Amino acid sequence: KAGVTQTPRYLIKTRGQQVTLSCSPISGHRSVSWYQQTPGQGLQFLFEYFSETQRNKGNFPGRFSGRQFSNSRSEMNVSTLELGDSALYLCASSEDREKLFFGSGTQLSVL
Amino acid sequence: SQQGEEDPQALSIQEGENATMNCSYKTSINNLQWYRQNSGRGLVHLILIRSNEREKHSGRLRVTLDTSKKSSSLLITASRAADTASYFCATGPNSGYALNFGKGTSLLVTP
Repeated sequence: KAGVTQTPRYLIKTRGQQVTLSCSPISGHRSVSWYQQTPGQGLQFLFEYFSETQRNKGNFPGRFSGRQFSNSRSEMNVSTLELGDSALYLCASSEDREKLFFGSGTQLSVL
Repeated sequence: SQQGEEDPQALSIQEGENATMNCSYKTSINNLQWYRQNSGRGLVHLILIRSNEREKHSGRLRVTLDTSKKSSSLLITASRAADTASYFCATGPNSGYALNFGKGTSLLVTP
C-alpha cells in the first residue's frame, strides 16, 4: 500500500494570505489527523476527521480549519496567515484510531 | 497541549551501546506509544503499550510502563548510526482520541 501523501512539501506565503494543505491517507484508513510541529511547542494536535466528520479539535484559533472528503482525502486551511504559523504540518492516517501513520509533512514558511 | 515529557532532551552515544529514554505523563491513559522522526520528516510508529501492560519488546526495542508513576521508558539495545533520530512518546487518553506528544529526545549515535 502507498503511504500517506502530503502536498505540497514546501510552501512559502506572506502574512495575511491563506493556504490549503492536502493529505491522502493510506487506502482503507478512514481517520485522518493533523498536527502542527514547531521547535518551541513541539507537536500540537489540530483536528481529527473520521468518515468526513470532525471528531476532535485541538486548541487552535478558528483560522485553522479542515475537511475530509468521501474518499478520506483531507485538506486543512489556514486563513489570514501569521508569522507564528510557520511550522511543519503533519498529517496522519489511522485504521484503528490508535496507531498513526504519518506523511512527510508540509513545511510552511510565513514571511 | 503536551502530555508526555521525554528525558533526556538529548542523548549522544556510540554504536553498540544501549540508549534509554524516559517519558513522564500527567493524566490517566489508555495506551502509550513511541515514535521516531528523522530530520524533520514524518514520524514512524515504533511500539504501543497498553495501560494494563508492563513491558513490551519489538526487535531491539524494549518499552516499560509504570502507570503508578505515570512513566515509561524506551530502551534501544546495540544502537546503530541509523538509529540517530528524535524519539517521541505519545499518550492515548482514556476519553477522546487525540494522541498527545512530548517534545522528544534527540538521539545521536556515532560510529
